[in-house]
Amino acid sequence: DQQVKQNSPSLSVQEGRISILNCDYTNSMFDYFLWYKKYPAEGPTFLISISSIKDKNEDGRFTVFLNKSAKHLSLHIVPSQPGDSAVYFCAAISSNTGNQFYFGTGTSLTVIP
Amino acid sequence: DVKVTQSSRYLVKRTGEKVFLECVQDMDHENMFWYRQDPGLGLRLIYFSYDVKMKEKGDIPEGYSVSREKKERFSLILESASTNQTSMYLCASSLPGTSSQNIQYFGAGTRLSVL
Repeated sequence: DQQVKQNSPSLSVQEGRISILNCDYTNSMFDYFLWYKKYPAEGPTFLISISSIKDKNEDGRFTVFLNKSAKHLSLHIVPSQPGDSAVYFCAAISSNTGNQFYFGTGTSLTVIP
Repeated sequence: DVKVTQSSRYLVKRTGEKVFLECVQDMDHENMFWYRQDPGLGLRLIYFSYDVKMKEKGDIPEGYSVSREKKERFSLILESASTNQTSMYLCASSLPGTSSQNIQYFGAGTRLSVL
């Protein structure tokens, strides 16, 4: 059973506009969330994370928002750049089972120049 | 700089062959993981290890085994490769402890084709 879901397999955005990638989860025990970025033929690289005690974390052009009541998080990229074109995975961890990540299925972002 | 190295980028094997995928990390991480990535299915955990000689099954362990004889090396073994094991295999490592330390660092992946 998929505990972390990314319902949009793909997203296209014009360069300079905002990209919003969404992620939903079902397990209320998750207390730490991460976003990873993956280029073709490379491994995923860590992008940004957020603890459940926060509702927002910002790092340059990237901001992650967490809505615990809705069990929903989103990644905002502003402004979007062609180099942001990649597959984005969200992941969730529970402190109770800290070693295991639960990944979503990924969203392929294309930023059009 | 953090480094997770997978021994092969591309592998082509025949059905029934025994296949070894090797992963080495230089960060002295206790935790190591093997995933496979398939279109529409994301990253699925096969096995992980939180210490030398320790292993835990992930979500899809069937048809796979692992070996962790040294802290820096984690091997994935396909005892008898089948065509449905054609996939991208990703190794990762992380520190143990609280969630804020649990960033996983990934290797570049091994694209395995089983014919």
